[in-house]
Amino acid sequence: NAGVTQTPKFQVLKTGQSMTLQCAQDMNHEYMSWYRQDPGMGLRLIHYSVGAGITDQGEVPNGYNVSRSTTEDFPLRLLSAAPSQTSVYFCATKSLSSGANVLTFGAGSRLTVL
Amino acid sequence: AQSVAQPEDQVNVAEGNPLTVKCTYSVSGNPYLFWYVQYPNRGLQFLLKYITGDNLVKGSYGFEAEFNKSQTSFHLKKPSALVSDSALYFCAVRDMKVTSGTYKYIFGTGTRLKVLA
Repeated sequence: NAGVTQTPKFQVLKTGQSMTLQCAQDMNHEYMSWYRQDPGMGLRLIHYSVGAGITDQGEVPNGYNVSRSTTEDFPLRLLSAAPSQTSVYFCATKSLSSGANVLTFGAGSRLTVL
Repeated sequence: AQSVAQPEDQVNVAEGNPLTVKCTYSVSGNPYLFWYVQYPNRGLQFLLKYITGDNLVKGSYGFEAEFNKSQTSFHLKKPSALVSDSALYFCAVRDMKVTSGTYKYIFGTGTRLKVLA
């Protein structure tokens, strides 16, 4: 049981490049979300999804795209990376049907944009 | 607007002493409150939660938290700190604005706990 798997763990990009951060879960959780963690800012919600085909914006969505074609995967796309997107990104999931209200986090992806 | 505040960036405590990490919240309605811990280079791990019921909630690794509605606080406590408790601690509240079955979690800025041997 892998839980929440994020890839890659580390990535360095140049300004203007595009990339996708992957998030996969094997817990059949309906809810999936992306956060970014910055010093002094805590965790801020980027996008989230409550099921395949359904996504919505969080607190800081600009510069990021998401899609949810399957229950298991929730990729985060940066179409044109900017230095302000240098951060640690976390995927978090939750079961909506169990009522547990507890998020399960991946190990994180550290992104540096030069 | 829903919000969470962690007033201390860092808390230092000697091993064996009691520890408190503070959290205050602002929500409309009854809050769902959480504490998570982050060890270096790891994702966040759930410690404990308050949904309803007893104001003193017990969680993992000997941690507990006290919900105080009048002071809108949810402080994390442990009677005797261990060096291995050193980590980054986050308080969170579930945004209770439910629209079309969607909802969000709001995190505080985090408090770094340093337990000194």
